Amino acid sequence: QVQVVDSGGGVVQPGRSLRLSCATSGFTFNRYGIHWVRQAPGKGLEWVAVSSYDGSNKLYADSVKGRFTISRDFSKDTVYLQMNSLRGEDTAVYYCARAGTSGHNWFGPWGQGTLVTVSS
Amino acid sequence: DIQMTQSPSSLSASIGDRVTITCRASQGIDIWLAWYQQKPETAPKTLIYAASTLQSGVPSRFSGSGSGTDFTLTISSLQPEDFATYYCQQYTSYPLTFGGGTKVEIK
Repeated sequence: QVQVVDSGGGVVQPGRSLRLSCATSGFTFNRYGIHWVRQAPGKGLEWVAVSSYDGSNKLYADSVKGRFTISRDFSKDTVYLQMNSLRGEDTAVYYCARAGTSGHNWFGPWGQGTLVTVSS
Repeated sequence: DIQMTQSPSSLSASIGDRVTITCRASQGIDIWLAWYQQKPETAPKTLIYAASTLQSGVPSRFSGSGSGTDFTLTISSLQPEDFATYYCQQYTSYPLTFGGGTKVEIK
């Protein structure tokens, strides 16, 4: 079945880096965009970044632009989110999600989420 | 950026009640709206996309309607497993944006 599994979260000090992974299966990887969405503790959902189906287009929320980088490994059907210069406000559960059908950017399915805590 | 406003932010309802949640976009988004359900400590689940298309496996008591700026999610007969927080999301332009959520609680 179609599945995305996110991982790589942990506790990191402010200013340091962390890389999240989103492993996919059950669909043709090079036909779908992959997104990252985050949720700070007790808060709502915030879109973070997207990699287009072929990796040629990458877009970011203003809050992470210049600090986060999204990339794809087509040999592993995996998407990464490299997070640099982390701040306290980046503390959140990070979800990867596949884009919907027909190239539309609704989300489904979602990964189970991975917690990133930025704290000294 | 397109702002998405949900109302109410929370509601209390009983099993069997008809529940309606509203989502308003700050500018027209055609039908490019999705709805998600999230239970505590779990990932969101996709309910509806393209304003009214039910995702596979979602019970038919859920329905969506609307276009342009005003949208509605309706639960025709609330079930115990429906107590959760619901989010709308526009996908007509970047940055993709969500509503603030509506928490459905037991009366």
